[in-house]
Formats: sequence, structure tokens, C-alpha cells
Amino acid sequence: GAVVSQHPSRVICKSGTSVKIECRSLDFQATTMFWYRQFPKQSLMLMATSNEGSKATYEQGVEKDKFLINHASLTLSTLTVTSAHPEDSSFYICSARAGQRPYEQYFGPGTRLTVT
Amino acid sequence: DAKTTQPTSMDCAEGRAANLPCNHSTISGNEYVYWYRQIHSQGPQYIIHGLKNNETNEMASLIITEDRKSSTLILPHATLRDTAVYYCMTQGGSEKLVFGKGTKLTVNP
Repeated sequence: GAVVSQHPSRVICKSGTSVKIECRSLDFQATTMFWYRQFPKQSLMLMATSNEGSKATYEQGVEKDKFLINHASLTLSTLTVTSAHPEDSSFYICSARAGQRPYEQYFGPGTRLTVT
Repeated sequence: DAKTTQPTSMDCAEGRAANLPCNHSTISGNEYVYWYRQIHSQGPQYIIHGLKNNETNEMASLIITEDRKSSTLILPHATLRDTAVYYCMTQGGSEKLVFGKGTKLTVNP
């Protein structure tokens, strides 16, 4: 099956710094990538949708200046958490879609961000 | 808001079939039913999807009612490694997957 990787798997950073998370589709080209966030004991919450070469579309309530998304190629999307604060500590998960019907989204393993 | 309703939790004995129900009474004609699961601290894993016919793959079977307002995911012989949160979702066209709260399935030895 299709494989999506994320790097890093875990990251600890100090409050006020920025952190970049990479999401790669390893064996297929992803026309669309998605970024989710998951707090403990909660479901996944969609943050934004990105199409290669276009600006990301953010869900309501998600600050686009704080969560910068770049989808520069068909196999790579990055999420940068700028000026991180402890409340940004969460599990960030990306997924990639090849764009064929019926659509199937393949998820990465997630990145655990801890802001101290 | 999620367009599906699932029980909060279920238990199943190891080796027995696990039947996970999902209500999607507002599903439209072009929407598929998708099932994913998430094992603790991992990314969601695709299980199966269907439109109106029953589907089976190496992981599970999906039974969709004739009116398409509900479905059941069947894990024929549950193992301890099937303990996870199972999400039922509907999606059509280029829509994004929206996760509800899912069903926490615990497989007991």
C-alpha cells in the first residue's frame, strides 16, 4: 500500500521557537495533502488542506500565520509551527491523497510536538 | 460536525467476530462509506470503503444496508492487535475526511 512518512516523529522545543514538520508520500504523487491535529483523548481535527503549488486552505479557527504550510512538490508538504507555545503541544498528523476516485487518504505516523 | 454516529466503546473477545455499527442517515447518493482505525499514538490506518454493495478485503468486511443509512464493519476473528479506535466516515467527490469520535474497540484475551 501507499506509504506516507513524517519527520520528526517527536520534537521538543522551547516556547517562542519555530518547528518544522515534514510529510512525504514515498511511493505515489499526492495532489492533495492534509494536516490534522489531535489532542489527548480527542479525535483528529483537520487543520488545513494543501494542493501542490497552491496556497493552503485553512479550517475555521486555525491561524494561518501561526501554522505555515508549504506544499512545494507532489511528494512533500511541510507544516511550520511558528512562535510555538505550550498550548500548541499536540500530535500532528499529515495525510496524502493521490486524487483518484474512490479517494483514499493515506496517513503518516504522526509527530508528537511538546513545547516547554 | 461529523455526519456519522457510532457507539463510544465496544468490547470483543479475542478470536470472535467484532461487529462495529455506524449510522449515516444523511448520506447522499455519491458519498462513500469509509472506515479507518487508529491504534494508540499512531496515524490512522485505512481499512475498507464501499458505496452500496458489501465489500470484503483481507482486513474486514463492510455491510451496507440497502437504504445506505447505516453500515457495519466486521472483523471476522478479532485479535488483541485490533484494539483501536475505529472511525466511520462518509465522503464524496473531493471532500475531505472529517473524523468523528469513533468507537473504541477493546479486544479482550
